[in-house]
Parts: sequence; C-alpha cells; structure tokens
Amino acid sequence: DTEVTQTPKHLVMGMTNKKSLKCEQHMGHRAMYWYKQKAKKPPELMFVYSYEKLSINESVPSRFSPECPNSSLLNLHLHALQPEDSALYLCASSQLPSEIREETQYFGPGTRLLVL
Amino acid sequence: AQKITQTQPGMFVQEKEAVTLDCTYDTSDQSYGLFWYKQPSSGEMIFLIYQGSYDEQNATEGRYSLNFQKARKSANLVISASQLGDSAMYFCAMRENPLGSARQLTFGSGTQLTVLP
Repeated sequence: DTEVTQTPKHLVMGMTNKKSLKCEQHMGHRAMYWYKQKAKKPPELMFVYSYEKLSINESVPSRFSPECPNSSLLNLHLHALQPEDSALYLCASSQLPSEIREETQYFGPGTRLLVL
Repeated sequence: AQKITQTQPGMFVQEKEAVTLDCTYDTSDQSYGLFWYKQPSSGEMIFLIYQGSYDEQNATEGRYSLNFQKARKSANLVISASQLGDSAMYFCAMRENPLGSARQLTFGSGTQLTVLP
C-alpha cells in the first residue's frame, strides 16, 4: 500500500481566515514533506519532517505553520494568507536513508487552495 | 544552474506508439537517485520509476523503462505502447545530499505529453 491521503481536496479561504490542511500515511515512513505547486510548474519544497522533527524549512513565510503530531500525520496550518498563496499543496512521505536504499517519495492527491 | 533539465515542454504521440521523454541532470555526487513522476490533470503525483546511480541495468516497470546513460548524465523515460490515459505532465527528479537525514528532490520543469487517438 503506497497511499498518502490529504484533506480537504479543495479549500477556499479569505485572507483573514485560519484553516488547516491534513496529510496521513500508514506506510511506516518516517519522513514527510509539504510542497507547493503553481500551475504548469514543478513542485517547490516547503518543509521536511524527519522522525516527527522539522528538519528543513525552505524559508517559508510564517503564515504557513507545519505540525507533525505523530509519525503518520502531517498538518499545515494556514493564517492570513495572500492571494498569491493560491496553489496545489502536495504532501509526500518516504523512508529515511538509513532504513532502505530507495527512498521514493509517495505523494498524496493534493489540496487545491484558493485565497480570495 | 539547473540541475534537472527537461527540454521538451510538450510532446505528442499516437496511441500504441512508443515515446521518449528527455531528462538530463547535473550533479557532482557519486550517489544519487533519479525518479520519474506522472501528474494527470487531477493533480496527484504518481511515482513511475526509479534509477539509482550505481544500478548497472536500466530500470523497467511495466510499459515504463528508463534509458540511463551515466556518462552523458541523461535519464530518459521511454513509454511503450502509449495509451490515452498516459496523457499527463511528466516530471524527472533527482535525489542528492547523501548525508542529509531526509533527502530533497529536485524536479525538472516537466513535459506535457498528449496521446492522440
């Protein structure tokens, strides 16, 4: 089973709203990732969690706040977003290098976010 | 400098024919991995195939094969017997940083493949 689930599929929010994106995997992966993807562009890495600890933050504005409550769950809390933050937000998970040779990242279906 | 280059923004192929999507990469690491992902219009990134830098044989997964030419730093994806459902954006990606606790992927700009009936 290589399934990563994401909720919600679609989200429309105003610039003063607070919302959260949720990602879940049950593959026993210990690395989880958030990506942002604009239309017709490749995904851009935002955050990486390893063993539930934030290991990479790609200079993402503080209006995006990640959280990893346990090894299966990854949240992205959104607050005071701008219209330019409208994008597809993808979650992914993978094994860590010390566990197996191939650390393929498996992606969820994404959340399409529109900020008005 | 771009680390992953996909020079074909768009490609067309007739149904049932084979198609090659180009990918070249740049790295000074000895250990790295190369991946291909498919992204239909629905948005999900679907893993297709993986090639490790030390793998001596080209990777194959069903109708997908990876033409790995290490000296040329190319990792082209070959799709045999194209189907209408293969119409999608295809991304080539590379994993570097063997010392990292979680390795980052660098993506190419993608190739939009359209399969014609």
